[in-house]
Amino acid sequence: GAVVSQHPSRVICKSGTSVKIECRSLDFQATTMFWYRQFPKQSLMLMATSNEGSKATYEQGVEKDKFLINHASLTLSTLTVTSAHPEDSSFYICSARVQEGAADEQYFGPGTRLTVT
Amino acid sequence: GQNIDQPTEMTATEGAIVQINCTYQTSGFNGLFWYQQHAGEAPTFLSYNVLDGLEEKGRFSSFLSRSKGYSYLLLKELQMKDSASYLCAVVRNNRLAFGKGNQVVVIP
Repeated sequence: GAVVSQHPSRVICKSGTSVKIECRSLDFQATTMFWYRQFPKQSLMLMATSNEGSKATYEQGVEKDKFLINHASLTLSTLTVTSAHPEDSSFYICSARVQEGAADEQYFGPGTRLTVT
Repeated sequence: GQNIDQPTEMTATEGAIVQINCTYQTSGFNGLFWYQQHAGEAPTFLSYNVLDGLEEKGRFSSFLSRSKGYSYLLLKELQMKDSASYLCAVVRNNRLAFGKGNQVVVIP
């Protein structure tokens, strides 16, 4: 099946620093990649939708200057959390969408747990 | 909000069958996913429904009624490893909106 990787899996950083998270589709090219954030015992919240070669579409309330998304190729998207603060500590998950004919599948990366101290 | 409703928690015995329901607003609907999520892990794809009817994949089946804004996930022959949160997610305008998930606890 389709595999999506994320790196790093865990990261601890100091307040005010920036953190980059990579999301890769390993054995397929993704039509679209999505970035989600999940706080404990809550649902996944979509942060942004990313299409290769174009600007990401951010959800309402998500600061695009704080959460920088770069979608360099059909297999790689990156999320950079700039000037991180403790309230940014969360589980960040990417997913890659594959649409072929009637099939529409979305595969998630393993997630990145960010802790800002 | 996206008004995707799921019951919050249920307990079932190993070997039993459970049905997890999901209701949603029908406007702009373009497909529904079911995912399994174990604590501390990312969701795992289970099924995708875009047309009415039942999709069967091994022990898991998913049903969709677009006119009713209703879907269910059926888990058969429950195993201990099936203890997890089950999320339904609705596709609208190329975006995926998740329900809060239904926590299933399987007991011996």
